[in-house]
Amino acid sequence: GENVEQHPSTLSVQEGDSAVIKCTYSDSASNYFPWYKQELGKGPQLIIDIRSNVGEKKDQRIAVTLNKTAKHFSLHITETQPEDSAVYFCAASKANFGNEKLTFGTGTRLTIIP
Amino acid sequence: DTAVSQTPKYLVTQMGNDKSIKCEQNLGHDTMYWYKQDSKKFLKIMFSYNNKELIINETVPNRFSPKSPDKAHLNLHINSLELGDSAVYFCASSQGSGLNTEAFFGQGTRLTVV
Repeated sequence: GENVEQHPSTLSVQEGDSAVIKCTYSDSASNYFPWYKQELGKGPQLIIDIRSNVGEKKDQRIAVTLNKTAKHFSLHITETQPEDSAVYFCAASKANFGNEKLTFGTGTRLTIIP
Repeated sequence: DTAVSQTPKYLVTQMGNDKSIKCEQNLGHDTMYWYKQDSKKFLKIMFSYNNKELIINETVPNRFSPKSPDKAHLNLHINSLELGDSAVYFCASSQGSGLNTEAFFGQGTRLTVV
């Protein structure tokens, strides 16, 4: 089955600086790579996703890059703000008509230092 | 209007008891899931249902029995609770059309077995 590794497990950055979280996956058939943000006491919420036919996607301060050959993808957050503090999860999935399942990374606790 | 709602939010119970967690989604999605998040924040899929049919069962003990009366509901019943069942359980839903769309998560149920 799919295995997703995520690094680092904790990350502290000064407000205004950039944060980068990296993930690798094992199943070359995986074709969908979402990133979820989990705030304290809440469920994970999608912040950005990328499909295997795209190498990079950006949404305001958040960007994701995908290297299919190396089987890794990364989340980039620029101009970090205190509200970016949360646990971030990468995930991988492959289309299987009704049988999709997200395999999550182990999470990164991001702390923004004011 | 809550998209995926699960009840209760907190559940404290003694070992050996039987308990249920309810989940409802009002998004019209075809696929619903149960995920377990352990004390280290690791998120792992337990089950998925597509149009009321069990699709994925990730080697979960048969003390856990999901029930889907219709495609908007997926309840989780747990028999003979054990200390190791303590975790946060998340219900989620997605369109599950084979295109890998966003999964929407509920706010979680924190189960504590004492």
